[in-house]
Amino acid sequence: DAKTTQPPSMDCAEGRAANLPCNHSTISGNEYVYWYRQIHSQGPQYIIHGLKNNETNEMASLIITEDRKSSTLILPHATLRDTAVYYCIVRVQGTGGFKTIFGAGTRLFVKA
Amino acid sequence: GAGVSQSPSNKVTEKGKDVELRCDPISGHTALYWYRQSLGQGLEFLIYFQGNSAPDKSGLPSDRFSAERTGGSVSTLTIQRTQQEDSAVYLCASSLSTASSGNTIYFGEGSWLTVV
Repeated sequence: DAKTTQPPSMDCAEGRAANLPCNHSTISGNEYVYWYRQIHSQGPQYIIHGLKNNETNEMASLIITEDRKSSTLILPHATLRDTAVYYCIVRVQGTGGFKTIFGAGTRLFVKA
Repeated sequence: GAGVSQSPSNKVTEKGKDVELRCDPISGHTALYWYRQSLGQGLEFLIYFQGNSAPDKSGLPSDRFSAERTGGSVSTLTIQRTQQEDSAVYLCASSLSTASSGNTIYFGEGSWLTVV
């Protein structure tokens, strides 16, 4: 089972920041938080990941709370092309190594 | 290669036939993962490999599904006696290894399977 919970859908106005929340209250100390997005049924696209510190790259920023029980993905200036399903994932220790289980994700609608 | 490569990109097969789907991971990646996504649904984990070994096969939906990986590189997912409910996109991903949670996994574009 996925270790994360996300709202099923969100709306955002084009040009505004999109803030996508994720809860991962059972996260362990060595487990990273990852964000991916998927447009239609294309292969999921990696966005960003982090362990403890906030992270930023050319696509987005990741804010992780101090207790690591939740995080927020920030798309600073959302465009129509950012409409997609966004997955927050914690890679969990399984038999023989870490594996990645996807939850239902958040469907983000960016509106003009 | 530069990215995860999957073939065929599209496959239409008759019910009852066997199909093979191929995945070529990113060069140097020892971990390889298979997922299935039915239309309008989320990603369903099937199996993963570390090298040629598959430590967790719990996600395979039935004994009609099998996967192998040889030479620590290319993997093949085989579906025997296909059924209509097998229609889905099959996604492959790879990462440097499964030893750390911090190894990012990268996905291919998938193989669309339609069973008629």
